[in-house]
Amino acid sequence: NAGVMQNPRHLVRRRGQEARLRCSPVKGHSHVYWYRQLPEEGLKFMVYLQKENIIDESGMPKERFSAEFPKEGPSILRIQQVVRGDSAAYFCASSLHVQETQYFGPGTRLLVL
Amino acid sequence: KQEVTQIPAALSVPEGENLVLNCSFTDSAIYNLQWFRQDPGKGLTSLLLIQSSQREQTSGRLNASLDKSSGRSTLYIAASQPGDSATYLCVQETSGSRLTFGEGTQLTVNP
Repeated sequence: NAGVMQNPRHLVRRRGQEARLRCSPVKGHSHVYWYRQLPEEGLKFMVYLQKENIIDESGMPKERFSAEFPKEGPSILRIQQVVRGDSAAYFCASSLHVQETQYFGPGTRLLVL
Repeated sequence: KQEVTQIPAALSVPEGENLVLNCSFTDSAIYNLQWFRQDPGKGLTSLLLIQSSQREQTSGRLNASLDKSSGRSTLYIAASQPGDSATYLCVQETSGSRLTFGEGTQLTVNP
């Protein structure tokens, strides 16, 4: 029974490059959530997706950030033209149904040089 | 705006001590409250989840309480051990499955 898997675990990008973070939810879970933890700060909600649909993206920056959860394959958080301020740990969580326990992945630590 | 506040921000205790971590939240429309543990460089581990209709949950040496009327939750750790050293996060869930995290209490248990 695999839990939430995220890859890569560590990602280094130079300013202006693109970062693609992948999240494979617990098998059978159709609800995925992305959170960001900036250095020395708490986790902040970014986006909530249910298969092929974005349900709530109110926590996501309006520019350069996008998320998808296709019918097949992992959820992807994409950051275009990264800046140093994007350096953070990005956590993905999944749940079986809405408002049930969210299970968290180990996170992807993004470092922008 | 939903806010979750945790006090203290950091705590250092000798092994064997009982301790209490405090959490306050501003949104009375709480669905559930959850305590997580985060180890350095690692993901989050769920410790206890209290539904809004419940007042407390217990697991081993951990006990969490919820008082919706005052907007407070506490995490009680009995007979602390060095392996309990971690950051403890208080997390509020309101409708829509959105989680709001506190900034955590960094606990160090000294042998």
